[in-house]
Amino acid sequence: LAKTTQPISMDSYEGQEVNITCSHNNIATNDYITWYQQFPSQGPRFIIQGYKTKVTNEVASLFIPADRKSSTLSLPRVSLSDTAVYYCLVGPSGGSYIPTFGRGTSLIVHP
Amino acid sequence: KAGVTQTPRYLIKTRGQQVTLSCSPISGHRSVSWYQQTPGQGLQFLFEYFSETQRNKGNFPGRFSGRQFSNSRSEMNVSTLELGDSALYLCASSLVKASGAETQYFGPGTRLLVL
Repeated sequence: LAKTTQPISMDSYEGQEVNITCSHNNIATNDYITWYQQFPSQGPRFIIQGYKTKVTNEVASLFIPADRKSSTLSLPRVSLSDTAVYYCLVGPSGGSYIPTFGRGTSLIVHP
Repeated sequence: KAGVTQTPRYLIKTRGQQVTLSCSPISGHRSVSWYQQTPGQGLQFLFEYFSETQRNKGNFPGRFSGRQFSNSRSEMNVSTLELGDSALYLCASSLVKASGAETQYFGPGTRLLVL
């Protein structure tokens, strides 16, 4: 079971790029890396998912180095509405797997 | 497609009572997982059902149980409620993509308050 480590909190300002790194030293060969965003009293929302190299969608980019022992979520030009908790989840698809979300990273975007 | 729906959204119970929460997954999703989220413990996995069978189980006491129906809808039950069961209970349905990656889609949650 791949344990993840993220910074507890981060601060940024509107318009800046934010990079949140997640460490997962014992990631397994069949593990994927998924990032979620959660606002207070709401369920987590899927942001992006990847296996290796770089993945980009309309809201974020995910950078995964060759050794896959870490990953970085990149949020371009953040706004106040990006203030939320961000979780990194590492795990395989299906089968016997206990998802472990950890405490996530609380991102606060300032005006 | 409609998202994951959970009912009720809010619930107040007293200690010793039992409660049943319901979750309707996204159409076509066969896996449903349940989570408990509290300020102290964070987001913790309760169990997962796939095709009406419990596939995975987290570290929670037997007072927490669940089931899944043939239409993939799921219920979770908590018996003999304790004050510490006050939490946001989240349901997530998932789909395995052609690539093999699995993505969970969460519902809005049920806020349970035990008095």
